[in-house]
Amino acid sequence: SQKIEQNSEALNIQEGKTATLTCNYTNYSPAYLQWYRQDPGRGPVFLLLIRENEKEKRKERLKVTFDTTLKQSLFHITASQPADSATYLCALGGGKLIFGQGTELSVKP
Amino acid sequence: DTAVSQTPKYLVTQMGNDKSIKCEQNLGHDTMYWYKQDSKKFLKIMFSYNNKELIINETVPNRFSPKSPDKAHLNLHINSLELGDSAVYFCASSPGGGVNTEAFFGQGTRLTVV
Repeated sequence: SQKIEQNSEALNIQEGKTATLTCNYTNYSPAYLQWYRQDPGRGPVFLLLIRENEKEKRKERLKVTFDTTLKQSLFHITASQPADSATYLCALGGGKLIFGQGTELSVKP
Repeated sequence: DTAVSQTPKYLVTQMGNDKSIKCEQNLGHDTMYWYKQDSKKFLKIMFSYNNKELIINETVPNRFSPKSPDKAHLNLHINSLELGDSAVYFCASSPGGGVNTEAFFGQGTRLTVV
């Protein structure tokens, strides 16, 4: 069955550093992959979408890579800030979105 | 101005009761969804509607019945509530057929069955 795993449940980093979150999947060939941010008590908010024929996508301080051979996506936040603290979800798409369990990022001042 | 709104935000009810959650989107999207997020934060799709037609129906007990009176609304009715139904339910919408596009989520309805 399809499986999607995000690297760790929690990631703690210092302000100004680059946060790197990992999303691995098996038994699936998604046409695209998305990243969402979820704050406590709120619904997920879309951040970036990357298609299977794209290697990298950027938006301001965010960068996403997509390696269909490794079946992996990396999500980077450069120059991280305490306001970036949230749970980040990856989702595989191709007809319906399949979400990972999320990685809780905490950026300390 | 809320894009996807769902009511109520909190719902506490006893086992065996029947309850409904309402969802409305003002984005003009064709596709709407219901997702369930359990205590471990896994977000799982339950149903998807495109222009009022059911297109995705995951393995969900038939106590759960979605209803889409028009493409801007997707309600979720739950019969004979059980303790295991306690979770946060999210409504979402996306343009087109929902493929290769982002989803817009509501703020969630926290359902607690006691």
